[in-house]
Amino acid sequence: QVQLQESGPGLVKPSETLSLTCTVSGDSVSSGSYYWSWIRQPPGKGLEYIGYIYYTGKTNYNPSLKSRVTISMDTSKNKFSLRLSSVTAADTAVYFCARERGLFGIAVPGNNWFDPWGRGTLVTVSS
Amino acid sequence: QSVLTQPPSVSAAPGQKVTISCSGSNSNIENNYVSWYQQLPGTAPRLLIYDNSQRPSGIPDRFSGSKSGTSATLGITGLQTGDEADYYCATWDSGLSGYWVFGGGTKLTVL
Repeated sequence: QVQLQESGPGLVKPSETLSLTCTVSGDSVSSGSYYWSWIRQPPGKGLEYIGYIYYTGKTNYNPSLKSRVTISMDTSKNKFSLRLSSVTAADTAVYFCARERGLFGIAVPGNNWFDPWGRGTLVTVSS
Repeated sequence: QSVLTQPPSVSAAPGQKVTISCSGSNSNIENNYVSWYQQLPGTAPRLLIYDNSQRPSGIPDRFSGSKSGTSATLGITGLQTGDEADYYCATWDSGLSGYWVFGGGTKLTVL
C-alpha cells in the first residue's frame, strides 16, 4: 500500500525559506506513471495546488507561487521536496504531499487525480 | 477567491440525498476531468470520485459524480452522520500556464 509522509520544521520565520520533504513508501518516485505533488491548506480555508514533479525532473507550479517555489526529487531516497522562499504569514498552512495519477497508470495533465495523500504537516510562519 | 465555485455549505437529514455543485469554465471543467475529495475533520483529503464519475474501490455507490459543460456535481444518497465533512472539486486548468484548480469547498452537515 502506498504511503506518503511529510516532514520538516513546523515553524519558519518571515522572509526565510520553508523546506519540506515527502517520503514515499510502497511505490517509487522514479515510476513514470505518476506525478508527485504538493498541496496546501491555510487554517480554516480551502485547498491550494502548489506544484508537481515528474521523474524526469519536469515540474509544474501554480502561477501565483511560481516565483518562490522549487520542487525537487531524490530518487535514491525515494523522496521529493518543497522549498518556498520569502515566506510570510500568508504561507501558514497544512502542507500535503500527494501522488497524482491517471487512468491505466498514465499521468496526463487534465486526466489525473490525487491519490493517496499524506497526512499533512502544519507549518507556521512567525517570528 | 477560488477558480471553481462551490456552495459554502449544504445540509440534509440522515437518509436523504444531497448534491454539491462545482462551477468552472471552458479552460478547466469543460475540457478536463473532474475529481472530488472528502475531508473529514482533522484529516487529509480522500479521493471520492475521479474522471468525473468513477468511484475508486472502497467508495460506496452512495457517492456519484457527473459533469455537464462547465459544471460538475457530486451526489450523496442515504446520508449518514459519518458523511459530515468538507467536499472539494478539482480539475486541471488548461489556460496559459496549466495548473490544478480547486473549488472553495462545501461543508456538508447531516442534521
